[in-house]
Amino acid sequence: DTAVSQTPKYLVTQMGNDKSIKCEQNLGHDTMYWYKQDSKKFLKIMFSYNNKELIINETVPNRFSPKSPDKAHLNLHINSLELGDSAVYFCASSQVGGVNTEAFFGQGTRLTVV
Amino acid sequence: QKEVEQNSGPLSVPEGAIASLNCTYSDRGSQSFFWYRQYSGKSPELIMFIYSNGDKEDGRFTAQLNKASQYVSLLIRDSQPSDSATYLCALHGSSNTGKLIFGQGTTLQVKP
Repeated sequence: DTAVSQTPKYLVTQMGNDKSIKCEQNLGHDTMYWYKQDSKKFLKIMFSYNNKELIINETVPNRFSPKSPDKAHLNLHINSLELGDSAVYFCASSQVGGVNTEAFFGQGTRLTVV
Repeated sequence: QKEVEQNSGPLSVPEGAIASLNCTYSDRGSQSFFWYRQYSGKSPELIMFIYSNGDKEDGRFTAQLNKASQYVSLLIRDSQPSDSATYLCALHGSSNTGKLIFGQGTTLQVKP
């Protein structure tokens, strides 16, 4: 069973389009995240939801809108895609609390904007 | 100053040698530190975490933490070609949100 699964794995789209990435976790965790990994492999947090509540919203353009219908799902919608949005987007989940809050990552979505 | 700094490498070691990966951080309030391994085209996977000063060993891996020097390291003994990957150092910030702050990663190449 896949712990954190996200779809699609690859996404190629034109500038200006709107696209969504979906994520689901079956670990029973209370917190989910979106991370962006750029071409230099730098991984940076974008958003975090705890029990459907947005708790982290880093300096991300408002073209990016996360949505969490329940604590097992976190989606990312991106409007008006730009070339600079090309990256790998990782969903992750964890159970927050204590010193070992291990994050489990999905397989990533490689977004290419042309 | 970046919050978490790593030498991007590549670090090249011969098979069977010890690979030493280093990481420094700027926030003295950081409590927990993580080493993730990421193979090309794959997602990060946790190797070890450490939160107390000193060494922590798990098989061929040893994590070392020195909070006074704001320094974390990962030693890989008896390096194997299968250890070739990017190693990401990460920490939890002072806030209890589970947010991970990553370094840029060190690429390790283990040559047979």
